[in-house]
Amino acid sequence: RKEVEQDPGPFNVPEGATVAFNCTYSNSASQSFFWYRQDCRKEPKLLMSVYSSGNEDGRFTAQLNRASQYISLLIRDSKLSDSATYLCVVTTGGFKTIFGAGTRLFVKA
Amino acid sequence: DADVTQTPRNRITKTGKRIMLECSQTKGHDRMYWYRQDPGLGLQLIYYSFDVKDINKGEISDGYSVSRQAQAKFSLSLESAIPNQTALYFCATSDEGELGTQYFGPGTRLTVL
Repeated sequence: RKEVEQDPGPFNVPEGATVAFNCTYSNSASQSFFWYRQDCRKEPKLLMSVYSSGNEDGRFTAQLNRASQYISLLIRDSKLSDSATYLCVVTTGGFKTIFGAGTRLFVKA
Repeated sequence: DADVTQTPRNRITKTGKRIMLECSQTKGHDRMYWYRQDPGLGLQLIYYSFDVKDINKGEISDGYSVSRQAQAKFSLSLESAIPNQTALYFCATSDEGELGTQYFGPGTRLTVL
């Protein structure tokens, strides 16, 4: 079993739609959680951190469920420019940062 | 100018050749990393360095070596390239204590024939 698992998609949604991605992690001792965005053939870039209390940044909302060991990303009012691959990232104690394989999103006009 | 730069951006080489990929950063971070990315597999850590005197193997270090020439420079070498090392290679940096907040270079697309 992979340490961080994501639905690879692709998710195909129309502009204005709401879309949600989930990510599960296997290590209950995981400490920090993040979502990164990666455009085609580009480098990953940090989108947002994920806190236990949940956090929101404009149209993006991230949630953490430690009991069930998953994190989620909700995108409201999708834009064409949201089309990208979204990577779930988890860090564990000591040093280990694990990147999920990513979920591809296509937003269509 | 970009905070993390990589050279070359693209490279095609032949099996058995020695290849060096270079990474430079202006963020002043002590921690630097080399990853490779293959379709459907996500990012895999090759080597990481927490400071100039510290080098550590990641999960897929076989066939690779690194050199940390200075705080700002971290190079990755393929001593004898093989076709299954064809991939997209990323360098990244992070600040101490911010393990999950990494800043990536633009990547090097390497093809080994």
